[in-house]
Amino acid sequence: GAVVSQHPSRVICKSGTSVKIECRSLDFQATTMFWYRQFPKQSLMLMATSNEGSKATYEQGVEKDKFLINHASLTLSTLTVTSAHPEDSSFYICSALTGGNEQFFGPGTRLTVL
Amino acid sequence: QKEVEQDPGPLSVPEGAIVSLNCTYSNSAFQYFMWYRQYSRKGPELLMYTYSSGNKEDGRFTAQVDKSSKYISLFIRDSQPSDSATYLCAMTRSSGSARQLTFGSGTQLTVLP
Repeated sequence: GAVVSQHPSRVICKSGTSVKIECRSLDFQATTMFWYRQFPKQSLMLMATSNEGSKATYEQGVEKDKFLINHASLTLSTLTVTSAHPEDSSFYICSALTGGNEQFFGPGTRLTVL
Repeated sequence: QKEVEQDPGPLSVPEGAIVSLNCTYSNSAFQYFMWYRQYSRKGPELLMYTYSSGNKEDGRFTAQVDKSSKYISLFIRDSQPSDSATYLCAMTRSSGSARQLTFGSGTQLTVLP
């Protein structure tokens, strides 16, 4: 299957700082990537759909000014959590859509905001 | 009411047992159904993908879809300790080229050696 990577795998930061998470499709081009958030023992909740070369589409209740998404190339999307607070601590997972409309997920990034 | 309901478990079975995992859904617009396996602190990996009602088999895994009852199942035969993980059902509507998945809450499975 296709491979999607995320970096970093784990990040700990102080409250008020910004954190950037990268999502890369390693062996295919992805015009569409998705960003999910997963709290402990809960399912994945879609945050936004990232489209290469255009603005991301955010799900209801997700602040676009807080969670900045940039999809500047066909293999890279970034999620920046701006002015992070402890309630933003979560597991962030991206996925990338192949040309065959299959989603492959990255390994996730665990964010801890102190 | 959630669009997709899944018993969170935890479910614990002995090695070699047959495991049955289930999801129900309320929106008849869902047409594509998937099962993902997620190991602790990892991203989900796709196990099975189905579209039609009926059964689809892949090795020890069988996915079953009953659209009339809005019910899907995943069966694991001859379960192994390495199958211990959280299993997530997911589904998507037929329209749209970008597959926005709606996930169940996941069932945590432990297979005891």
